[in-house]
Amino acid sequence: NAGVTQTPKFQVLKTGQSMTLQCAQDMNHNSMYWYRQDPGMGLRLIYYSASEGTTDKGEVPNGYNVSRLNKREFSLRLESAAPSQTSVYFCASSAGTGRPQHFGDGTRLSIL
Amino acid sequence: KQEVTQIPAALSVPEGENLVLNCSFTDSAIYNLQWFRQDPGKGLTSLLLIQSSQREQTSGRLNASLDKSSGRSTLYIAASQPGDSATYLCAAYSGGSNYKLTFGKGTLLTVNP
Repeated sequence: NAGVTQTPKFQVLKTGQSMTLQCAQDMNHNSMYWYRQDPGMGLRLIYYSASEGTTDKGEVPNGYNVSRLNKREFSLRLESAAPSQTSVYFCASSAGTGRPQHFGDGTRLSIL
Repeated sequence: KQEVTQIPAALSVPEGENLVLNCSFTDSAIYNLQWFRQDPGKGLTSLLLIQSSQREQTSGRLNASLDKSSGRSTLYIAASQPGDSATYLCAAYSGGSNYKLTFGKGTLLTVNP
């Protein structure tokens, strides 16, 4: 059971570089989410997609962009990475908003 | 704005003990509340989800309760085992048009053999 798959698992970037975090789910879920987890801050929602074709900002969207490529895939892009974006990034999916969320194993991103 | 608090931040118990983890939320107009487990270096695993109309949910040795009027939820773990050691997070779905999850910062549980 793959569930939610995130790539890459680890990444080190230099300040100013760009990269895209990939997320795919095989549960035919409508809704997908991107979170970041920082020590002492807990999990915070960056962007979410309630259904294919829609995306909305979460609590901390600045510095990020997202693309809901199709029903399965939801990517997160950092256009110009900053040290403050060093974090663990989690993708999640659910059958719909308000339904149980299922998480990937995360991408550990360090920006030097 | 919904705020979710979990106390204590860390808890250490001997194996076999029954224990309760606490979660409080400020906005009682929640849609539902979800409990997760997170192992070190891993993602979150959903344990239980309680709808706002429910009082409790049970899964094996886990029982979660919800009291909207007091803004509290508890996760009861019976006969704890070392394999239960993990961080437990609660998260509240608030009503409205977005149904966003607001997470607590978690309780780190250590069950000692």
